[in-house]
Amino acid sequence: DTGVSQNPRHKITKRGQNVTFRCDPISEHNRLYWYRQTLGQGPEFLTYFQNEAQLEKSRLLSDRFSAERPKGSFSTLEIQRTEQGDSAMYLCASSLEHGRAPYEQYFGPGTRLTVT
Amino acid sequence: DQQVKQNSPSLSVQEGRISILNCDYTNSMFDYFLWYKKYPAEGPTFLISISSIKDKNEDGRFTVFLNKSAKHLSLHIVPSQPGDSAVYFCAARPGNEKLTFGTGTRLTIIP
Repeated sequence: DTGVSQNPRHKITKRGQNVTFRCDPISEHNRLYWYRQTLGQGPEFLTYFQNEAQLEKSRLLSDRFSAERPKGSFSTLEIQRTEQGDSAMYLCASSLEHGRAPYEQYFGPGTRLTVT
Repeated sequence: DQQVKQNSPSLSVQEGRISILNCDYTNSMFDYFLWYKKYPAEGPTFLISISSIKDKNEDGRFTVFLNKSAKHLSLHIVPSQPGDSAVYFCAARPGNEKLTFGTGTRLTIIP
């Protein structure tokens, strides 16, 4: 069973550098979500895709952040000109959604970003 | 604006006893509620969920109760085991949209 995978697991970068994270969802899942979690907080929504279409972006997602899901499979999250405030755990989740019926989201292990 | 609140940052329970974790929400559009468990350096793991058309859902040692009029839900774990020690997050969503999480409760099971 291959669950949601994320790479890299850890990333240390200097302020001002660009970073890119990858998420591979569960293969039959059509929805893919990105969340960010900082210490002492719950995960906060960033953006989500239905297949290859990006359907919603949070106000947390500044113009330095961009996410893609080409061909509706894996997704990448890029942060340009990183700032120390970007240090967080970036979580990816996927789910299989049909109509309005709610389904559970399954999370990957996360990518921990440290900006020095 | 914190739409999902977990007011207890931590909880300690003796092994074998009942653990009760609480969660309150403010958004009346939420109609699906979930509990996730998180170990350090791992992503959240789905535990149990409940739709707003129900007031109780049970899965083995885990039971979730929903009180819509009070906008309150709780997770009961009986009996508590050492492996249950983790951070528990309550989450809610309107229909099939994004999840809104609480800040978590750290549960420690004392052997």
